[in-house]
Amino acid sequence: AQSVAQPEDQVNVAEGNPLTVKCTYSVSGNPYLFWYVQYPNRGLQFLLKYITGDNLVKGSYGFEAEFNKSQTSFHLKKPSALVSDSALYFCAVRDKDAGNMLTFGGGTRLMVKP
Amino acid sequence: SAVISQKPSRDICQRGTSLTIQCQVDSQVTMMFWYRQQPGQSLTLIATANQGSEATYESGFVIDKFPISRPNLTFSTLTVSNMSPEDSSIYLCSVSSGNYEQYFGPGTRLTVT
Repeated sequence: AQSVAQPEDQVNVAEGNPLTVKCTYSVSGNPYLFWYVQYPNRGLQFLLKYITGDNLVKGSYGFEAEFNKSQTSFHLKKPSALVSDSALYFCAVRDKDAGNMLTFGGGTRLMVKP
Repeated sequence: SAVISQKPSRDICQRGTSLTIQCQVDSQVTMMFWYRQQPGQSLTLIATANQGSEATYESGFVIDKFPISRPNLTFSTLTVSNMSPEDSSIYLCSVSSGNYEQYFGPGTRLTVT
């Protein structure tokens, strides 16, 4: 079975400061990892993914995430937060050897204050 | 990336009735997925729909409650049957791409009174 944990329900950060949204995962095989963002009354938008290769992946809107196999983590980061980054963020995992099923974490609400 | 549209975008329904949600994709896709997002919660996969075969349902979801059609490679419907207030959720259609990503529709916000 695969699972994802996002330990923080909400993250508060001041505009211009760096932000981190945490994610840890559990799969029996090799993971494919994803971050999605959901703005109010909107569907999910794809931000970035880790499939293979470099552990640091860069995505949309200046976001990046680092795959850490030993810690089974895939934290989302951004060097300088914007108020417009305020949204709900979901981490998701797919077991490479177990089909196409995506399992989502519980979500983290990011609040960026001016 | 695929562009996905859903109809209706929102609806308010009475308990005991049924609602059919439509999902249209701008390109042909093999696999389509239906998710439920209950208020304040994460996404849960309801079923996977492949064209030409029966949908595959996840644990806790059954065909009688959530019948799915997949008549071609660009379209699918999900019906929420015999609705109760517990079915109030956002229902999202999703498709997978060849580069491991999944794309999501804007969702259908259902309120059951």
